[in-house]
Amino acid sequence: GAGVSQSPSNKVTEKGKDVELRCDPISGHTALYWYRQSLGQGLEFLIYFQGNSAPDKSGLPSDRFSAERTGGSVSTLTIQRTQQEDSAVYLCASSLVTGGTLGGANVLTFGAGSRLTVL
Amino acid sequence: KNQVEQSPQSLIILEGKNCTLQCNYTVSPFSNLRWYKQDTGRGPVSLTIMTFSENTKSNGRYTATLDADTKQSSLHITASQLSDSASYICVVSAGITGGGNKLTFGTGTQLKVEL
Repeated sequence: GAGVSQSPSNKVTEKGKDVELRCDPISGHTALYWYRQSLGQGLEFLIYFQGNSAPDKSGLPSDRFSAERTGGSVSTLTIQRTQQEDSAVYLCASSLVTGGTLGGANVLTFGAGSRLTVL
Repeated sequence: KNQVEQSPQSLIILEGKNCTLQCNYTVSPFSNLRWYKQDTGRGPVSLTIMTFSENTKSNGRYTATLDADTKQSSLHITASQLSDSASYICVVSAGITGGGNKLTFGTGTQLKVEL
């Protein structure tokens, strides 16, 4: 597609329920990132997928959070047993990975985000 | 710990005026620094990206500077327009093996341009 698509754009759920957030990256972008943006906070890194490599999960805040990327394209972020502190905007971004050496100057293209509210 | 600090936290200016946003960072090993603009309810959009050897880069009315020695960057907006009202986020990349990026985001400067 022309841009990064995320769905749903808004999700309201009850505490304890599971939610799935979807990200459809730009076609051909091998790198995919999930970030969380809480009110008044900077973007918090969650997870990074690059091609067929093992994902970098170092930012996932707890084992209730997991993500998959099927076929190197669409990604799903799953939050189990949601808590009120999970309320935030979840942003997905994708990029081409250039250079192949330390610190490729990749420009990330972000989706509009999925706003999650846990009641 | 890698950190990115931005100032001011918020700023209100009149249309047509100039402004400068600041970004200080402690990120190692430094790879590049980006400025993003995030409109309300939208994802961040890249304005500029600067590597170690670049001191200044312009994108229309936006000019970013980088001083890698003092680990400071600024974003200067000239002749502001109402559409410049947004959050401006400074993002610093630490290089990692394999071509990926470890990005550290600032909390942003919320700019409001008024008539």
